[in-house]
Amino acid sequence: AQSVTQLDSQVPVFEEAPVELRCNYSSSVSVYLFWYVQYPNQGLQLLLKYLSGSTLVKGINGFEAEFNKSQTSFHLRKPSVHISDTAEYFCAVSATSYGKLTFGQGTILTVHP
Amino acid sequence: DVKVTQSSRYLVKRTGEKVFLECVQDMDHENMFWYRQDPGLGLRLIYFSYDVKMKEKGDIPEGYSVSREKKERFSLILESASTNQTSMYLCASIDVDRVSNQPQHFGDGTRLSIL
Repeated sequence: AQSVTQLDSQVPVFEEAPVELRCNYSSSVSVYLFWYVQYPNQGLQLLLKYLSGSTLVKGINGFEAEFNKSQTSFHLRKPSVHISDTAEYFCAVSATSYGKLTFGQGTILTVHP
Repeated sequence: DVKVTQSSRYLVKRTGEKVFLECVQDMDHENMFWYRQDPGLGLRLIYFSYDVKMKEKGDIPEGYSVSREKKERFSLILESASTNQTSMYLCASIDVDRVSNQPQHFGDGTRLSIL
């Protein structure tokens, strides 16, 4: 079985500041890793994914994440945030051929002017 | 572009009612999923289906059932709704032949309130 822990439930930042949203996972098998974003009153949208290869993954809207196998982490970063990045962010892992996802608890990112 | 459509954005029902949440996808995906989303708990898998009439329990199936009579449609059923089933429900689908490099596609969710 897999599990995902997002270490911060809420992250407030000022506009144009850098941000890091932390994600740790546990699994006894190799996994695929994902970050999703959910804007208010919307479904989930994929930000980026790690399947294999380079450990630094770039996604949409200027986000990137780094896969660290030894620390079982997949932290999400953005060097300069905008007001429009205010949303809830979910880290997820998948380890089965069915494509089932196990999600973290979510991190609410609030960007202040 | 893949479209996953959930029939209702908001739904209010009474305790004890039988409730149907409908989900339709337009990309001929084999696998479909129902999650519920609660603050501080993230998304938790209720049921998934990997083919017509095939289903498997997820992590929190108690109080729910599902139906997949056609490939494009996956229904979640609350047999006798209770207040602890008030939540946001999200449907998703994925192409089983591209599971390894395709994300799940999500609907916009149904916010269900049980009074």
